[in-house]
Amino acid sequence: DIQMTQSPSTLSASVGDRVTITCRASQSISSWLAWYQQKPGKAPKLLIYKASSLESGVPSRFSGSGSGTEFTLTISSLQPDDFATYYCQQYNSYSLTFGGGTKVEIK
Amino acid sequence: EVQLVESGGGLVQPGRSLRLSCAASGFTFDDYAMHWVRQAPGKGLEWVSGISWNSGSIGYADSVKGRFTISRDNAKNSLYLQMNSLRAEDTALYYCAKPASRGRPYYFDYWGQGTLVTVSS
Repeated sequence: DIQMTQSPSTLSASVGDRVTITCRASQSISSWLAWYQQKPGKAPKLLIYKASSLESGVPSRFSGSGSGTEFTLTISSLQPDDFATYYCQQYNSYSLTFGGGTKVEIK
Repeated sequence: EVQLVESGGGLVQPGRSLRLSCAASGFTFDDYAMHWVRQAPGKGLEWVSGISWNSGSIGYADSVKGRFTISRDNAKNSLYLQMNSLRAEDTALYYCAKPASRGRPYYFDYWGQGTLVTVSS
């Protein structure tokens, strides 16, 4: 199975900060990567697909980049609603795998 | 509006069985593959299983292979997960998830609210 490694596992930031989360795949997955946001007690919400395509309705402060084995999710100016846990997911193979998550906390 | 409503979770002893259901509405169910994803308490997301629109292609995570069986009934717009030989490590919130596109690749644009399975004596 393809392993997905996210870093950092926890990130402390302030409103207005630029935040970057990294996801690394154990082998090349081309651009077959999605990013999700999850808040406590809620289901995950799709933010980005195909590494850099913004899901409809998602604010433009979210962006994704990368290909092959290294990917990033960037929040250009952190808003109060953005404090949550973020997961990457590869879909290059049928056996789908998620990263371990990055919790974005208030500094 | 797309809705996915899971049911069937509960407290079960190790070694016993449980069957989860997911009732889908708001989209053409038999156009899409469907998947189960779980999340252990305080932990990350883990893909469990997926089934194609016509049940012709099925996949499982290694952690559940041979113990869990996914199925669907397109006439009832329903997805199922039969879980046998349950272990403590199967304790999790189980989500039903709809892929964003009709075919591969599979990432998810809609999720249910989850049903909690607790395996404990």
